[in-house]
Amino acid sequence: QVQLQESGPGLVKPSETLSLTCTVSGGSISTYFWTWIRQPPGKGLEWIGYIFHSGNTNYNPSLKSRVSISVDTSKNQFSLNLSSVTAADTAVYYCARIPSGYMDVWGKGTTVTVSS
Amino acid sequence: SYELTQPPSVSVSPGQTASIPCSGDKLRETYASWYQQRPGQSPVLVIYENTERPSGIPERFSGSISGNTATLTISGTQAMDEADFYCQAWDSSTVIFGGGTKLTVL
Repeated sequence: QVQLQESGPGLVKPSETLSLTCTVSGGSISTYFWTWIRQPPGKGLEWIGYIFHSGNTNYNPSLKSRVSISVDTSKNQFSLNLSSVTAADTAVYYCARIPSGYMDVWGKGTTVTVSS
Repeated sequence: SYELTQPPSVSVSPGQTASIPCSGDKLRETYASWYQQRPGQSPVLVIYENTERPSGIPERFSGSISGNTATLTISGTQAMDEADFYCQAWDSSTVIFGGGTKLTVL
């Protein structure tokens, strides 16, 4: 059974880069698409972007200038970098698997707070 | 930009049927998926490809599509079904979520 686990700093300073990693266990990352989604406090879900195991990516147009997603197949991990963060980037960040147009496995989420 | 529209809230009595609509023009040409999110938990896929139910999801959850509106229906609603529900679809190669609907069972 595939499981996903997000990891990374829980506190990031304004203007710095938020970096998170999602570790895939119980299955290979070398298939399907893999995605990042976030949820600001008390708000809805916002898609950030996705990556294929080959490295092909696509990002939310509203975040595209600040987002980078990469994959490390040797570690069965994929990562998120979000640059120039502000308080508006404070959220719970989820990673998930996309087998075919839907997200069938989600991580537990990690809370990231942007504050000095 | 493309949007999916959901009502902010829906209320239902225990044992009754709850219907949550999600509207958007792209639903005429792309599949809708639905996620349940209980407080403090990760979202869980309950319906994919408009009408398909993943293994482990109770049969009382069903999905339908008519024109540009996808609907999640919960039959015989239970107290444990109280949660936020989100629809999701695609616009070209980007993922779109609806704003979410809070289902209250009272």
